[in-house]
Amino acid sequence: SYVLTQPPSVSVAPEKTARITCERNNIGSKSVHWYQQKPGQAPVLVVSDNSDRPSQIPERFSGSNSGNTATLTISRVEAGDEADYFCQVWDSDTDHYVFGTGTKVTVL
Amino acid sequence: QVQLVQSGAEVRKPGSSVKVSCKASGGTITSYTISWLRQAPGQGLEWMGRVIPIFGIVDYAQNFQDRVTIGADKSTNTAYVELSSLRSEDTGIYYCAFSRQSSSSLSYWGQGTLVTVSS
Repeated sequence: SYVLTQPPSVSVAPEKTARITCERNNIGSKSVHWYQQKPGQAPVLVVSDNSDRPSQIPERFSGSNSGNTATLTISRVEAGDEADYFCQVWDSDTDHYVFGTGTKVTVL
Repeated sequence: QVQLVQSGAEVRKPGSSVKVSCKASGGTITSYTISWLRQAPGQGLEWMGRVIPIFGIVDYAQNFQDRVTIGADKSTNTAYVELSSLRSEDTGIYYCAFSRQSSSSLSYWGQGTLVTVSS
């Protein structure tokens, strides 16, 4: 089955940079999307199609995708960025959406 | 801006069924692909299936395809998911989410509906 592997947790100090990875063989050939989910809330799309940012999302959020790894980068981390983050792709072989295992970002 | 409002929390007994709805405003459902997802307590997101109302296409995830029905009512601009033969492991929050036809990203999300399966 299609598995997208993320680190369970990432810890970062305020004003520093957090990088969250999403790994799968040849993920660079897919469009990867990223979601932020805060406790008790629905997920929010923060990066679509590898590196596009919805208009309401701060420029501090960026994405890249190459080879076997897609990365969500959060620059100048703020306390309000503390949340779970999920990557997602569309598997065209099965016509299924697939989500990553999720990463909890903690701001120290 | 599309807004999605889901129906309220449900409590069901094992073996029964539940139907959750998702009403859209600010856009018509025929412009989107509508997915349903489940999030078990403390767990990640699990895709259940999707409907593309303009084409009448429905796809189901393998884990659910024997028990789930997903559909859309264009007259009320509402999507729904029905899950049958419920078991305790089906307890969780169920979300609807819309994708634009140009992307597989889930741009708009409902607020979630808690379904509790308990005897």
